[in-house]
Formats: sequence, structure tokens, C-alpha cells
Amino acid sequence: GAVVSQHPSRVICKSGTSVKIECRSLDFQATTMFWYRQFPKKSLMLMATSNEGSKATYEQGVEKDKFLINHASLTLSTLTVTSAHPEDSSFYICSAQPTSGRGLDTQYFGPGTRLTVL
Amino acid sequence: AQKVTQAQTEISVVEKEDVTLDCVYETRDTTYYLFWYKQPPSGELVFLIRRNSFDEQNEISGRYSWNFQKSTSSFNFTITASQVVDSAVYFCALEGDSSYKLIFGSGTRLLVRP
Repeated sequence: GAVVSQHPSRVICKSGTSVKIECRSLDFQATTMFWYRQFPKKSLMLMATSNEGSKATYEQGVEKDKFLINHASLTLSTLTVTSAHPEDSSFYICSAQPTSGRGLDTQYFGPGTRLTVL
Repeated sequence: AQKVTQAQTEISVVEKEDVTLDCVYETRDTTYYLFWYKQPPSGELVFLIRRNSFDEQNEISGRYSWNFQKSTSSFNFTITASQVVDSAVYFCALEGDSSYKLIFGSGTRLLVRP
């Protein structure tokens, strides 16, 4: 139980294009999902909290117009990196917190998406 | 402020050795949760344990054990009889009652050599 998927696992794009990353909770519902960014050999940095049916809450220093988050259902959140640049290249990880039942208050993580912007 | 410190950046052991990963945390919340996650080379974070601040009982799960000491604000993780498959980065994390956010330590890279 508590499986979270991310798609795509890897993406390479040209500078200036937009990239959408999907995060799905496969066997549970999640009112809240989180998006993290991880640089090589570094820890996870929380970018934003995604709440189903409402606007995302962004951490200080994260550009909301650049990293668009949509949480349209209880099992899906998307992160769109708009007008991507090489400095946006990173490992993006999402997590989901079950709304009820076992695992409540625990974040379960997706496998991550490695974004490379050329 | 909330903070998690994993002072050990890298640890290298030989297979079958026991190894302890240290985690020290800071929080002003009276209720909080502590976590350990494993990140193998594939990148996916694997949930290992969640501990409530009111539950100081140590826990053992197979070769894994956790020692929660509130007096020293530590939540250390021991792997007994380590195996090559244990090689990964291990993160300790804190979630305080005043915030839903997970605060991660910097991680400890464990290398288990055959």
C-alpha cells in the first residue's frame, strides 16, 4: 500500500520549453501533496505544498509563476516547469499524505523525475 | 526553529558489520514526529519509520532498530549485520505539530562493501 507514481521518470528538454510532471497516489487519496527539489548529493528542499481544490502554498524563494502546481483531484498533482532553463535541471520528487487510514500524517514519496534542460 | 542534523556525511563499512546512523533534532513543538527514509541509487525515497514524540519506546524491525532519546533530542538508526543492499543515502526528518512540513537532515551516505 501507499504507492506514489511520477511521470515521466526522466525528461530532457530544450531551454525555453515547458515540462509537466505528474504525481499520482495509486492506492490512497491525498488531500495534500508536496513537491521537492533535490540537487546532486544534497538533501530535499520543499518547493511547495499542493492542496486539492485550492492554490498551492509556495516556499520562500520559489517562483510560483515558474513552477505551476495543479492539484485537480485527490490522486493527482502536477508540476509544470515553465520556460525551463539549464539551472532548472534537477531531481524533482513528489510526496503524498493519505487523507485517512493507515499512514495518516506520513508522506509517501514518488520515484522522482530527473529533468535535464539543454 | 526546527532543524535536523545528520553529522555523518558518509559511512563505509564491510558487510556484516553493524552501523549506527546519528540524527539530532531541534524543535520547540511538544508534539512532533520523526522519520527515517532510505534513498537507494534509483532515487526513490523509501519510508522506514515514523515515531511520535510521546512514544519513546525503541523499535526493532528485522535488522533495523531505532533508538529515540528525547533527553538528548536524538533518533538514531542502527543496521545490524549490514548487507550490500543497504548501501543508500539515509535521511532523518522531523515534522512538528506547528507545521505540516517535513524538515530533512542533510543525509548520510552509507556504503556497505562486500
